[in-house]
Amino acid sequence: QKEVEQNSGPLSVPEGAIASLNCTYSDRGSQSFFWYRQYSGKSPELIMSIYSNGDKEDGRFTAQLNKASQYVSLLIRDSQPSDSATYLCADPTNNRLAFGKGNQVVVIP
Amino acid sequence: DTGVSQNPRHKITKRGQNVTFRCDPISEHNRLYWYRQTLGQGPEFLTYFQNEAQLEKSRLLSDRFSAERPKGSFSTLEIQRTEQGDSAMYLCASSPNGRSDTEAFFGQGTRLTVV
Repeated sequence: QKEVEQNSGPLSVPEGAIASLNCTYSDRGSQSFFWYRQYSGKSPELIMSIYSNGDKEDGRFTAQLNKASQYVSLLIRDSQPSDSATYLCADPTNNRLAFGKGNQVVVIP
Repeated sequence: DTGVSQNPRHKITKRGQNVTFRCDPISEHNRLYWYRQTLGQGPEFLTYFQNEAQLEKSRLLSDRFSAERPKGSFSTLEIQRTEQGDSAMYLCASSPNGRSDTEAFFGQGTRLTVV
């Protein structure tokens, strides 16, 4: 089992809708997670970090960490065409970032 | 200082040649990471440095790969006798202190194509 799993296929959402992304992880010792956004051909850009159980909101983004169920999610409210990208979940435990394969989001105007 | 800088941005090389990439981290960032990313996958960890010390290398890092960070500032990643399977985006990231859960920031990457 990979350390971090992102299994959903591409997600298409209408402009203004909510995009919901999920990530599961295998290491029960993981305490924090990062969400990166990656535009095609570009490098990952950090958009959210969450260090404790529960929700964290930052602008249109909300991250949720559920340690009991070992998943972390990202909600993007009021989706904009500029949100069209691949979103990567990353676990920083064990001295390096373990990434999921990413979820592609396409916001349709 | 505008962020992590990687050079070159693109590299095309013939199979069997050696290539070297450079990464300049954000000033005073102690940790420096190298990752490799292929199409449709998330970045895969290769190695990391704490200051000048290389503390961990992934099993992905074959003997043809070597990385250095001689003075604890910039780092180089060398690939010897390149193979077509080495074609990927090579990403460097840095973070400000020794904690593993500190946010890491990526450079623009070096895209390697082996022909």
